[in-house]
Amino acid sequence: GQQVMQIPQYQHVQEGEDFTTYCNSSTTLSNIQWYKQRPGGHPVFLIQLVKSGEVKKQKRLTFQFGEAKKNSSLHITATQTTDVGTYFCAGPDNFNKFYFGSGTKLNVKP
Amino acid sequence: EAGVAQSPRYKIIEKRQSVAFWCNPISGHATLYWYQQILGQGPKLLIQFQNNGVVDDSQLPKDRFSAERLKGVDSTLKIQPAKLEDSAVYLCASSLGGGYRAQYFGPGTRLTVT
Repeated sequence: GQQVMQIPQYQHVQEGEDFTTYCNSSTTLSNIQWYKQRPGGHPVFLIQLVKSGEVKKQKRLTFQFGEAKKNSSLHITATQTTDVGTYFCAGPDNFNKFYFGSGTKLNVKP
Repeated sequence: EAGVAQSPRYKIIEKRQSVAFWCNPISGHATLYWYQQILGQGPKLLIQFQNNGVVDDSQLPKDRFSAERLKGVDSTLKIQPAKLEDSAVYLCASSLGGGYRAQYFGPGTRLTVT
């Protein structure tokens, strides 16, 4: 079946360091969405990418959608303690079935 | 604008008992989703409604789980009978459209089955 894996599973960084999480799908995704879930909270929508090769930026966050629409990445520049949480990629496959990735848990040490 | 509302926030039941969760989506959102999130994992889609019709329920364990959205607005998810492995957070989300739109999540219901 469809699988959406993210690496790394966990990442511990010092405040100010950069962070990247990678998302890989076993099948083509129609679009990719990214969500952030704070400890004890619910997923919060960050962004959506639709086009092959698309790159979008939100302040210190840079999102990329792969050319084959099977992978994506989220890069955070100069992490802050407010970036702590689990980052999920998600998206619908070509049959419009929606899948969340396995998530990357980010911890930022002050 | 009010967010997605869910109740109850917490529920503890014994195995083989029944439980129901309620969700009220953001006003005007046609699509409603129920997810199961087991600790340490990503949310797993159980069922997706477009208005009051089911779009996808392929991952819903239909022998024990049921969901309805009778008037195309609020929704209930029921588990009958519950098993220990049903312990999880049940998240409801809504969006203006289907899988191509941003989803807005409620606070979730944390279910513990003992």
